Amino acid sequence: GAVVSQHPSWVICKSGTSVKIECRSLDFQATTMFWYRQFPKQSLMLMATSNEGSKATYEQGVEKDKFLINHASLTLSTLTVTSAHPEDSSFYICSARGTGGGNQPQHFGDGTRLSIL
Amino acid sequence: EDQVTQSPEALRLQEGESSSLNCSYTVSGLRGLFWYRQDPGKGPEFLFTLYSAGEEKEKERLKATLTKKESFLHITAPKPEDSATYLCAVYPGSATNKLIFGTGTLLAVQP
Repeated sequence: GAVVSQHPSWVICKSGTSVKIECRSLDFQATTMFWYRQFPKQSLMLMATSNEGSKATYEQGVEKDKFLINHASLTLSTLTVTSAHPEDSSFYICSARGTGGGNQPQHFGDGTRLSIL
Repeated sequence: EDQVTQSPEALRLQEGESSSLNCSYTVSGLRGLFWYRQDPGKGPEFLFTLYSAGEEKEKERLKATLTKKESFLHITAPKPEDSATYLCAVYPGSATNKLIFGTGTLLAVQP
């Protein structure tokens, strides 16, 4: 149980392109979803938290106009990297937490490797 | 400031050689401590949740324990397939959704 699917797993695109990443909880409802960025050999850095039906909360230093987050249902959140540039190249990982309350574990997708040329 | 520290940074074991990974935390209260395993190029895989001191959880060759200041992940008779980065994370007592992650322990088990 508690499976989170993230798609696509790998994206290569030209500078200036917008890229959408999907995160789905397959077998549970996720009140809250999270988006992380991970640099090589470093731990996960939280970018934003989203609750179903409301605006995302972004961490300090994360541009909300660059990283658009939509959490339209209890099973789907999307991250759109707008007008991506080479410095946006990274490993993006989503996680989802069930409806059981704030102490529940987060379950992670397998990540999206984004490469901007 | 809430903080999670993992040690060692890297650990190399021979197959069958048992050991422990440490996760020390300094947080304003603890709402939950989580252990994850992360393979290269993948997202973290959930292993255990611990909520209160004295609690223990087991799964195959792994056993997680919790005290008021730290958690241990004990690996008994490890196999090469146990090689991965092990991450510890906590929800502090403050009203926040934010998981505080340690930097992980990279475990390599040699046959």
